[in-house]
Amino acid sequence: GEDVEQSLFLSVREGDSSVINCTYTDSSSTYLYWYKQEPGAGLQLLTYIFSNMDMKQDQRLTVLLNKKDKHLSLRIADTQTGDSAIYFCADLESGYQKVTFGTGTKLQVIP
Amino acid sequence: ETGVTQSPTHLIKTRGQQVTLRCSSQSGHNTVSWYQQALGQGPQFIFQYYREEENGRGNFPPRFSGLQFPNYSSELNVNALELDDSALYLCASSAGQGNEQFFGPGTRLTVL
Repeated sequence: GEDVEQSLFLSVREGDSSVINCTYTDSSSTYLYWYKQEPGAGLQLLTYIFSNMDMKQDQRLTVLLNKKDKHLSLRIADTQTGDSAIYFCADLESGYQKVTFGTGTKLQVIP
Repeated sequence: ETGVTQSPTHLIKTRGQQVTLRCSSQSGHNTVSWYQQALGQGPQFIFQYYREEENGRGNFPPRFSGLQFPNYSSELNVNALELDDSALYLCASSAGQGNEQFFGPGTRLTVL
């Protein structure tokens, strides 16, 4: 079945850039998403990218997609302490409604 | 505009019992998806309801069942609870299949 993998933990200093990586196995993915989850809260959609795009920028967020390698990354510029959370990448399978999530990357921002 | 709401917030049950979790979708949304998020894991897709019909199911046994009502709110029912069913259960609504899903805060279920 579909598999989405992420590194578990990332620590950065406030003001630096953060890069969170994700790999997936489904070659028929149509949308790929990045979600943020803060403690005790539900999931917040940060951004998404269509599978036929290479890059998407949205304010401090940059998403890069390498479809050949099935690799997705999220770059957060000027990382702030409020960015500390768990970040999930996820993909929507073509022709199906199932969204498959990765295991999440915990981002720790050091003041 | 009211977002996705879920009830109850927390729930404690014992093995073998049955539980019903509820979700109210965001106004204008006709699709509801349910996910199970075990501690330290990403959410796992349980199933999706579109216009009151089940529309896709993940790798969960039949004791996980659901309903969607004419107002598009939804229930998740779990029979014969097991310890491994302890998790955060998330509901997400969307305006149609394949569109952005808006998540509720979840119901934390503990099975003792």
